[in-house]
Amino acid sequence: AQKVTQAQTEISVVEKEDVTLDCVYETRDTTYYLFWYKQPPSGELVFLIRRNSFDEQNEISGRYSWNFQKSTSSFNFTITASQVVDSAVYFCALSSWMDSSYKLIFGSGTRLLVRP
Amino acid sequence: ETGVTQTPRHLVMGMTNKKSLKCEQHLGHNAMYWYKQSAKKPLELMFVYNFKEQTENNSVPSRFSPECPNSSHLFLHLHTLQPEDSALYLCASSQVRRDQETQYFGPGTRLLVL
Repeated sequence: AQKVTQAQTEISVVEKEDVTLDCVYETRDTTYYLFWYKQPPSGELVFLIRRNSFDEQNEISGRYSWNFQKSTSSFNFTITASQVVDSAVYFCALSSWMDSSYKLIFGSGTRLLVRP
Repeated sequence: ETGVTQTPRHLVMGMTNKKSLKCEQHLGHNAMYWYKQSAKKPLELMFVYNFKEQTENNSVPSRFSPECPNSSHLFLHLHTLQPEDSALYLCASSQVRRDQETQYFGPGTRLLVL
């Protein structure tokens, strides 16, 4: 069975702190993709990153960085020097090819509150 | 930047009403999706349209009826809904490719059923 677990329901930090959001996944597929999406209060899910199962290189994009570790089935997301605008719900998702299309399985999300 | 638009953004309806949600994608994608997001529940995939053909119906009650007239437009027709159907309904689109695929989401319609 495919599953994504985001154990942190809610995290609260003070602006400029670094924060890491955890994501653990389960799959038996050898080819799969992992995603992070951001959902601000407006509701829209904003795509942040996609990583395929064959690429374990960590990625950095500005204040965002992602750590993919196949050995622990984890795909963690770190925000450096957090800002109030980072306050949102963050979703980790797993997709694999099933029935001629990719199916996205989402975690339950982590609500991040960045206080000024 | 969003290439997926949804209307209306907010909707309040009674249990006997009939309404429709509309989604339009401007990204040239060939697949569209409806998701339901309820409080305290993970995002649930409802329907998938791939090249305008419905390829997925995740045991969704018949009071929800999707329609995909072309690859850019997707509708969700609602009738005789229940209060537990109150949720955020999100539309997404993607370009189906065997080697990679990313879904892009619209802003959602917040539905309240009274």
